Amino acid sequence: QSVLTQPPSVSGAPGQRVTISCTGSSSNIGAGYDVHWYQQLPGIAPKLLIYGNSDRPSGVPDRFSGSKSGTSASLAITGLQAEDEADYYCQSYDSSLGGWVFGGGTKLTVL
Amino acid sequence: EVQLVESGGGLVKPGGSLTLSCAASGFTFSNAWMSWVRLAPGKGLEWVGHIESKTDGGTTDYAAPVKGRFTISRDDSKNTLYLQLNRLKTEDTAVYYCTTGLGYCSSTSCPLDYWGQGTLVTVSS
Repeated sequence: QSVLTQPPSVSGAPGQRVTISCTGSSSNIGAGYDVHWYQQLPGIAPKLLIYGNSDRPSGVPDRFSGSKSGTSASLAITGLQAEDEADYYCQSYDSSLGGWVFGGGTKLTVL
Repeated sequence: EVQLVESGGGLVKPGGSLTLSCAASGFTFSNAWMSWVRLAPGKGLEWVGHIESKTDGGTTDYAAPVKGRFTISRDDSKNTLYLQLNRLKTEDTAVYYCTTGLGYCSSTSCPLDYWGQGTLVTVSS
């Protein structure tokens, strides 16, 4: 059970917008630590999608955006495409655990 | 081109040991913070631990489930990262990824922008 809680699954039709939440606490996101987001396609290594809460590495489409407020963060994907079907993970630091933590992951299904 | 290539995975009995290696190229390895992340079957990503660059102190840090059993080390002359796994348990079965963040890294934030393909460790009797 991760200290960063994500919904197990979300879904949306092509072209739609979906959001994936990452809920933490005062010892991680709420303490101001950065949140990063990763996309993992089946059988492939994870890919950095968002870093520092809301910045995109070069090459990541602007359909992907991140935000943070209080003890939670969110990843939004607009203009859903079939190739977006993957597992998504948030990551931050937890001062109680004294280490980096990942959320439990969210499986995105494109209907 | 940045490349991270893991090796050393395999089948090992509970209580056994294994050493994973990660050969790095395409960047200045000695300046990089290096990490191990694992993905167990049916589970999510789990941070295993990391090692700072020597210029930043070379300190290691580990997740609670592996602390005292796993050891991360680096050989900057060989551009290679290691993960020594001791006293293995069945719950350590996972694909182990070598990963790094070539942007700004600190003990509390290190976006991991390069990943190897992973190596599978299976702990079973």
